[in-house]
Amino acid sequence: DAKTTQPNSMESNEEEPVHLPCNHSTISGTDYIHWYRQLPSQGPEYVIHGLTSNVNNRMASLAIAEDRKSSTLILHRATLRDAAVYYCILRDWGRGGSNYKLTFGKGTLLTVNP
Amino acid sequence: GAGVSQSPSNKVTEKGKDVELRCDPISGHTALYWYRQSLGQGLEFLIYFQGNSAPDKSGLPSDRFSAERTGGSVSTLTIQRTQQEDSAVYLCASSRLGDNQPQHFGDGTRLSIL
Repeated sequence: DAKTTQPNSMESNEEEPVHLPCNHSTISGTDYIHWYRQLPSQGPEYVIHGLTSNVNNRMASLAIAEDRKSSTLILHRATLRDAAVYYCILRDWGRGGSNYKLTFGKGTLLTVNP
Repeated sequence: GAGVSQSPSNKVTEKGKDVELRCDPISGHTALYWYRQSLGQGLEFLIYFQGNSAPDKSGLPSDRFSAERTGGSVSTLTIQRTQQEDSAVYLCASSRLGDNQPQHFGDGTRLSIL
């Protein structure tokens, strides 16, 4: 399965934008890029997903490189509530089978300073 | 609307006892998943239910673990003769059927085996 690489930790200031990078150099053509986050003592929370085009929703934006070997989750104005571990994962919908099993790596621990 | 509800939120029990963990998925979600997350570790898939299909039990770590989903709604994960290595946060998620449907997680049951 294609693997993702994320920085262990990042720091941001409140009300500033945050760009969380993810490398996935072995991504396949049918891999969708998904982002989840996990706040302390809570279950993971879906953030956003995309295939090729950039995506926006109420929580964040997802910028996908043209070659799809990397992507960036953008939080436009970080709040203290955004402090969490952010996970970038690939879900392959081209092969069918057990692609419903989410596999989280270590993710990026985002600290937001007031 | 109501999210995924799990109970109990915390469970402390003695080694060798049986435990039952409950998950109430989001209404209308036909897919239900159980994962566990050990301290500082990523998510580990346990079992997947989809409608009336046979569940995917491939992630259950031993025959002490079992799960059922009654009436296509509530699910119970049972661990018999608990061991200390069973200590973890047990997370339940549900989703609609379909490609790339996000999984919505509960806040988990923190299980501690003494």
